[in-house]
Amino acid sequence: QQQVKQSPQSLIVQKGGIPIINCAYENTAFDYFPWYQQFPGKGPALLIAIRPDVSEKKEGRFTISFNKSAKQFSLHIMDSQPGDSATYFCAASRGNQFYFGTGTSLTVIP
Amino acid sequence: DTGVSQDPRHKITKRGQNVTFRCDPISEHNRLYWYRQTLGQGPEFLTYFQNEAQLEKSRLLSDRFSAERPKGSFSTLEIQRTEQGDSAMYLCASTDGAALGREGYTFGSGTRLTVV
Repeated sequence: QQQVKQSPQSLIVQKGGIPIINCAYENTAFDYFPWYQQFPGKGPALLIAIRPDVSEKKEGRFTISFNKSAKQFSLHIMDSQPGDSATYFCAASRGNQFYFGTGTSLTVIP
Repeated sequence: DTGVSQDPRHKITKRGQNVTFRCDPISEHNRLYWYRQTLGQGPEFLTYFQNEAQLEKSRLLSDRFSAERPKGSFSTLEIQRTEQGDSAMYLCASTDGAALGREGYTFGSGTRLTVV
């Protein structure tokens, strides 16, 4: 049973575009929602995270939008660059165990 | 400290052989996790240590899998009688109680296991 559902599976945008990746969860006990970025051959690296008491968090070009009532959250990448091409995973947790989405492969075309 | 280190980076083994992976966490982190990631999927939780105590184990961790963290520092993950379905990237992550909410996990680069 997939605890966190992520879409789309892949995404191609032009440089400067704003890719949006969406995630949905069911367990209302989750209290921490991170996004990870993974390059080929590397482990995932934390990008940005949010707690359910805020609706938006922005760090640099990355923004999380959080809708607690809909149990959905999304990642927006402003002014995307070719170096942003990677796989992005959303996750949700309460306590120690993280539940990851299936990933979105992002390609930013120069 | 250079982050979470995993060794080896790649391992090719024949079906039925035993393999052991090592993880060296960030030195001040008391929590250590093992995850498994198959192609096109997100990481899946296997097990969690706080110091030397193994506190949680996933149902994914069959009895062919065993993990240890004998002195609360490095950890090993052993897979006995490997099967082709064990082929995956095995990721180690570490954190401490304060960092978990602030930084989440710090993952290593993983050990890619191929069972032939």
